[in-house]
Amino acid sequence: DSGVTQTPKHLITATGQRVTLRCSPRSGDLSVYWYQQSLDQGLQFLIQYYNGEERAKGNILERFSAQQFPDLHSELNLSSLELGDSALYFCASSASGTGPTDTQYFGPGTRLTVL
Amino acid sequence: AQKVTQAQTEISVVEKEDVTLDCVYETRDTTYYLFWYKQPPSGELVFLIRRNSFDEQNEISGRYSWNFQKSTSSFNFTITASQVVDSAVYFCALSESQDYKLSFGAGTTVTVRA
Repeated sequence: DSGVTQTPKHLITATGQRVTLRCSPRSGDLSVYWYQQSLDQGLQFLIQYYNGEERAKGNILERFSAQQFPDLHSELNLSSLELGDSALYFCASSASGTGPTDTQYFGPGTRLTVL
Repeated sequence: AQKVTQAQTEISVVEKEDVTLDCVYETRDTTYYLFWYKQPPSGELVFLIRRNSFDEQNEISGRYSWNFQKSTSSFNFTITASQVVDSAVYFCALSESQDYKLSFGAGTTVTVRA
């Protein structure tokens, strides 16, 4: 158990809908990262937050957004969902996230299925 | 450009055999970090090891060992005396000095047969 929690574990929804994925980092960790794992793209970095502020952005679609709250939990919002958004979404956390020295610990993931 | 290449897509071995997973990376940074993660059938990503670019010492942890060679930009992972519980997808990843994200390879699926 990494100490990173993600809810829900599974999510099934329809095209055009909006969903919210939630992540709680390990106790004491200030950074949260979101990754998407799909069959065709593999594991791709989406976005990072550090202590409430956006720190780095990757291949995140404009239909997707995220935020980190004062209690350091994070939410990833996916809107206008398409079939191709079906994937496993991971949250990871690290102690500081101020550089590449941090080890990222991953949550169990949320499996999103868009029908 | 692909920063991390795991050329082996799938490896199948019989229990107690050794298995080596190859990882080749590409970076212009002199300071970088390499990682291995394991993804068992249950789906979570489990951290196995982190190696700094300035530390080329090989590491052993139980049945796991890692061989880091800067000269060939490789960070290979060996499982000795494999067990069925080692069946998983193994990912190699790179983090560069100006970056915060992990760049993952495509993964190698290891199947250990009893």
